[in-house]
Amino acid sequence: EVQLVESGGGLVQPGRSLKLSCAASGFTFSNYYMAWVRQAPKKGLEWVATISTSGSRTYYPDSVKGRFTISRDNAKSSLYLQMNSLKSEDTATYYCARFLWPTSWFAYWGQGTLVTVSS
Amino acid sequence: DIQMTQSPASLSASLEEIVTITCQASQDIGNWLAWYQQKPGKSPQLLIYGATSLADGVPSRFSGSRSGTQYSLKISRLQVEDIGIYYCQQASSAPWTFGGGTKLELK
Repeated sequence: EVQLVESGGGLVQPGRSLKLSCAASGFTFSNYYMAWVRQAPKKGLEWVATISTSGSRTYYPDSVKGRFTISRDNAKSSLYLQMNSLKSEDTATYYCARFLWPTSWFAYWGQGTLVTVSS
Repeated sequence: DIQMTQSPASLSASLEEIVTITCQASQDIGNWLAWYQQKPGKSPQLLIYGATSLADGVPSRFSGSRSGTQYSLKISRLQVEDIGIYYCQQASSAPWTFGGGTKLELK
């Protein structure tokens, strides 16, 4: 059974940094692209980042490019999201997702971790 | 960026009723469209991919179709467990974008 468990969320002040983690199990992690998707409170879904199987290729929307960095450790079956220069509009639940390449579907999702950016 | 416009934003329907949700793409995305279901308090789940293919374990009362740049999700006989929010997503090109969602409630 595919399992994705996010951690690392919490309350952080604007301008500060936070690193999210996602522990994967139930599949061969190194064989799959992975992604982060976020959902602001009572709002819709927004893709945040995608990373290739080896980690050599990363993709971001303009809203987070230059501030967020996605990375992975295949030996630990773990995915990460380093978030810098956080803004109030980054407040959201962040989901880790298994990303099918090149079809670009988000096939499996974790339960999410809440990040609140507030002073 | 490709914009995805869903309608209606909310929908109230009775059990066993036929429900249809639509998603309009701002440009041609072919069959590069997915639908997700988010039940209350849960994370989204892939429902349909490639505009018409059901994901593993999805009941056959769900179906997807395409007409040009308009996509539809149909529930043939609404069940209690179908209540939630439905999102479409274009997978044609980055940035991969979602529709605003359709909240489905029981009447």
